[in-house]
Amino acid sequence: QKEVEQDPGPLSVPEGAIVSLNCTYSNSAFQYFMWYRQYSRKGPELLMYTYSSGNKEDGRFTAQVDKSSKYISLFIRDSQPSDSATYLCAMGGSSNTGKLIFGQGTTLQVKP
Amino acid sequence: DTAVSQTPKYLVTQMGNDKSIKCEQNLGHDTMYWYKQDSKKFLKIMFSYNNKELIINETVPNRFSPKSPDKAHLNLHINSLELGDSAVYFCASSQAGVQGNYGYTFGSGTRLTVV
Repeated sequence: QKEVEQDPGPLSVPEGAIVSLNCTYSNSAFQYFMWYRQYSRKGPELLMYTYSSGNKEDGRFTAQVDKSSKYISLFIRDSQPSDSATYLCAMGGSSNTGKLIFGQGTTLQVKP
Repeated sequence: DTAVSQTPKYLVTQMGNDKSIKCEQNLGHDTMYWYKQDSKKFLKIMFSYNNKELIINETVPNRFSPKSPDKAHLNLHINSLELGDSAVYFCASSQAGVQGNYGYTFGSGTRLTVV
């Protein structure tokens, strides 16, 4: 079993839809939870960053962490074609090395 | 003014050759990483250096050898390249270990194809 599980999709939605992306994990020592967005042939870029449990909102994006269920989510409201990318969840903090464990990534396509 | 820059962007080479990838960051971060992304987009850590000291060395064939001449640079040398080494290699940096600063800044990747 992988430490971090993420459905690779692909996920296809119409423009304006609410998108829900999720990851589950097995290591209860994780403390930092992130979402990265990766466009085709580019490096991942940090989108959302959460420490411990709770919600964080940034514009159209909301990240949720439920440590009791070992489950994290990213919601995208009013999705746009420019949101079409691969979204990778990542977790860290189980050691002091800065190591992140990434999910496989979910490929999202938002159709105009 | 690129924060994390990798060279080359593309590398096509024959089996058995030796090649190097270079990475430089101008963010003042203390920690740099090499990650490998396979064809299924799965990102897996290979190495990490903190201020020139090797702190993460995952189960990677010893044909791969990282080198950090200073905290702003991290290079990756690969000997005797094999077909299975074909992947995208990403360099990243962070202020790891500092509370609340686990976020990475990634380079744009080096797409290695071994033929």
